[in-house]
Amino acid sequence: SYVLTQPPSVSVAPGQTARLTCGGHNIGNKRVHWYQRKPGQAPVLVVYDDRDRPSGIPERFSGSNSGNTATLTISRVEAGDEADYYCQVWDSTNDHHVVFGGGTRLAVL
Amino acid sequence: QLQLQESGPGLVKPSETLSLTCTVSGGSIASSNYYWDWIRQSPGKGLEWIGSVYYSGNTHYNPSLKSRVAISMDTSKNQFSLKLRSLTAADTAVYYCARHLGYSLAYWGQGTLVTVSS
Repeated sequence: SYVLTQPPSVSVAPGQTARLTCGGHNIGNKRVHWYQRKPGQAPVLVVYDDRDRPSGIPERFSGSNSGNTATLTISRVEAGDEADYYCQVWDSTNDHHVVFGGGTRLAVL
Repeated sequence: QLQLQESGPGLVKPSETLSLTCTVSGGSIASSNYYWDWIRQSPGKGLEWIGSVYYSGNTHYNPSLKSRVAISMDTSKNQFSLKLRSLTAADTAVYYCARHLGYSLAYWGQGTLVTVSS
């Protein structure tokens, strides 16, 4: 089955740019989606189809996807951005499956 | 505004079957070509996809859980349900229901904590 690899943690100072990666074999050929999950809350979709933002998500959140790596970029990081972030793809290689990465904890220093 | 709400027991005994229901409001589960999913998160772990049911009733399951899982729809009640058999402590988790938008999961319930313990 398809595997998505995320670094366990990323740290960034307020006001700086955070880049969270999601690795997978030829992931550039798939549509990647990103979720933010804060403690005690349901996950929130922040980027879908590689780079689109749902309504209400700040422009500070952006995405890219090429080759074997997809990236979620958070510009001008704020304390409220501290959360776990998960990437996700739809794998149709065998049947139809949702696949999540292991998640990255974003710490705002 | 589409809303999803999970319901079910908070405590289940080992070896028993978990039954959870997701009640959908603000839209019909049968009238549009969407997938409706169950996802869980065990303590200290990441998100794990359990399975999906398509508006037509077709289902798809996580291979690691396929032998124990069944997802179904009740269009008359605008609900879809999860049954997970042969529970162990490893099934302790917050269980979420969600709806797709394309290939992403755009709408989520608040989640319900299920503890497997005797």
